Amino acid sequence: AQSVTQLDSQVPVFEEAPVELRCNYSSSVSVYLFWYVQYPNQGLQLLLKYLSGSTLVKGINGFEAEFNKSQTSFHLRKPSVHISDTAEYFCAVSDGSGFGNEKLTFGTGTRLTIIP
Amino acid sequence: ETGVTQSPTHLIKTRGQQVTLRCSSQSGHNTVSWYQQALGQGPQFIFQYYREEENGRGNFPPRFSGLQFPNYSSELNVNALELDDSALYLCASSHPGTSEIYEQYFGPGTRLTVT
Repeated sequence: AQSVTQLDSQVPVFEEAPVELRCNYSSSVSVYLFWYVQYPNQGLQLLLKYLSGSTLVKGINGFEAEFNKSQTSFHLRKPSVHISDTAEYFCAVSDGSGFGNEKLTFGTGTRLTIIP
Repeated sequence: ETGVTQSPTHLIKTRGQQVTLRCSSQSGHNTVSWYQQALGQGPQFIFQYYREEENGRGNFPPRFSGLQFPNYSSELNVNALELDDSALYLCASSHPGTSEIYEQYFGPGTRLTVT
């Protein structure tokens, strides 16, 4: 079974400061990793994904994440945040066994609040 | 290209009633997954439909059931509603046979309140 732990439920950050949202996972098999963002009253939007290859993954809106197999982590980072980044961020994992149709297992989310 | 749409947006039901939620997948996508997101929690996988067949199920009781139609739209049915069924229900579509493999596109969700 897989699981995802998002260590911080809330992260307040000043505008234009850097941010890191932490995600750790557990799985007995190789995994695919994702970060999704959820704006108020909206569905989830994919920020970035790691399937294989380079451990540094770049996504939309200036976000990036680094896959660390030894630490089973996939932390999300942005060098300079904007007010519009205020949202809920979810880390998710799939096991790659369904040929692209795998279910996603989500963490409990991190609420990122940008302070003007 | 039309995104994933869900209806209704909000719904209030009484305990014991039945409810049907609807989802139209993104154009060209043949797979629909349903997730339940309780308040303050991450989404939890309910089940998935691939080419009109159930293709995996999460830890939800049989009173949660679904359908996928030839145009790949989908329904989620919940019988004998319980208070704990109150949540945001998210539908996601995908197409494993394309360059968007492993990407799921989510709709805005249906907010179900059971009283």
